[in-house]
Amino acid sequence: SQELEQSPQSLIVQEGKNLTINCTSSKTLYGLYWYKQKYGEGLIFLMMLQKGGEEKSHEKITAKLDEKKQQSSLHITASQPSHAGIYLCGAGIAGGTSYGKLTFGQGTILTVHP
Amino acid sequence: DTAVSQTPKYLVTQMGNDKSIKCEQNLGHDTMYWYKQDSKKFLKIMFSYNNKELIINETVPNRFSPKSPDKAHLNLHINSLELGDSAVYFCASIARQGLGEQYFGPGTRLTVT
Repeated sequence: SQELEQSPQSLIVQEGKNLTINCTSSKTLYGLYWYKQKYGEGLIFLMMLQKGGEEKSHEKITAKLDEKKQQSSLHITASQPSHAGIYLCGAGIAGGTSYGKLTFGQGTILTVHP
Repeated sequence: DTAVSQTPKYLVTQMGNDKSIKCEQNLGHDTMYWYKQDSKKFLKIMFSYNNKELIINETVPNRFSPKSPDKAHLNLHINSLELGDSAVYFCASIARQGLGEQYFGPGTRLTVT
């Protein structure tokens, strides 16, 4: 099993709908990152969360880290075709936080139909 | 100016060949990484260098050899390429050791035939 599990693995929504992507670990997460990747391109940094209970928003995207720092969610409000892509969560996991080593989830492929 | 650049962007080669991928960052960062993203989009760390010193070496076949001539460059040389090496390889950098935003390059899509 993966150290960082993302769900769902793929998501198809109609434009204007809200959606949530989850990222879960059985271990404590030290720094939780959300990245977006468009096909054939590199990863674009979205947000970083460090403290339990922390929540950050940017435009229509909100990310939260639970109090136990083992689960994060990424919520998109009123989705648009420009939100389509692969969303990856990455985190420093207990026992592997030195030198900025990030473990990534398997990614969530988001498709937004106009 | 591109923060983290990689060359080439695409690489198609035959099994058994030796190839190199280059990475450069102009952010003044101390730490650089190589990641491999497989066909299922799973991104996994391979190596990390801090100021030209190897600090992370995950379970990677020794056919893969990273080299950092200076802290702005991290190259990846692969010997005796195999079909399973086909993937997208990403370079990334971070300002200093520890946690912080990792800046990723655009990736190199390697196809071994």
